[in-house]
Amino acid sequence: EAGVVQSPRYKIIEKKQPVAFWCNPISGHNTLYWYLQNLGQGPELLIRYENEEAVDDSQLPKDRFSAERLKGVDSTLKIQPAELGDSAVYLCASSFMNTEAFFGQGTRLTVV
Amino acid sequence: GIQVEQSPPDLILQEGANSTLRCNFSDSVNNLQWFHQNPWGQLINLFYIPSGTKQNGRLSATTVATERYSLLYISSSQTTDSGVYFCAVANRDDKIIFGKGTRLHILP
Repeated sequence: EAGVVQSPRYKIIEKKQPVAFWCNPISGHNTLYWYLQNLGQGPELLIRYENEEAVDDSQLPKDRFSAERLKGVDSTLKIQPAELGDSAVYLCASSFMNTEAFFGQGTRLTVV
Repeated sequence: GIQVEQSPPDLILQEGANSTLRCNFSDSVNNLQWFHQNPWGQLINLFYIPSGTKQNGRLSATTVATERYSLLYISSSQTTDSGVYFCAVANRDDKIIFGKGTRLHILP
């Protein structure tokens, strides 16, 4: 069974440029999460979806970050424009009915 | 919101030693997981344990929900056990909150 798939694995962009990350959750998982992990820290929640509805986006910096989960399956997280402080690992996770969550390998973003 | 504290923050052990990692949380939880983050950054699921005791090989975990803590035991440590161990909890709002982790170094 395939796990959570994220792409790309690595991304280097110049500041002020846009960037997008993609996540394909485990089949049948209705809950999808995007987390941000800074070096030496634990992951921090950005947004949580139940099917296609964003039920918790209180930690998402809405001036530059946006996310969507069309049809309640795949999800995209976008940053526009990127800032130097956005350099981090972006993790996607999924679960069935808010039980055990499984994480993808993450996208390591470097903004220069 | 719920607070998650992990201890110790860092632990250095010789190969073959046993260790106990602790996770304290500030409110009742519906969901508690232990993860191992390997050197490549992948979060590996160890246990889904909102309550009770589970064992998987050299690893075991116990959650005492009424006293708001969980313990992760690693026996006969191997160098491949090195990495960061995270506790993550969710309460009735289903928001999964991570602790800051315990960084484990197993020396050969």
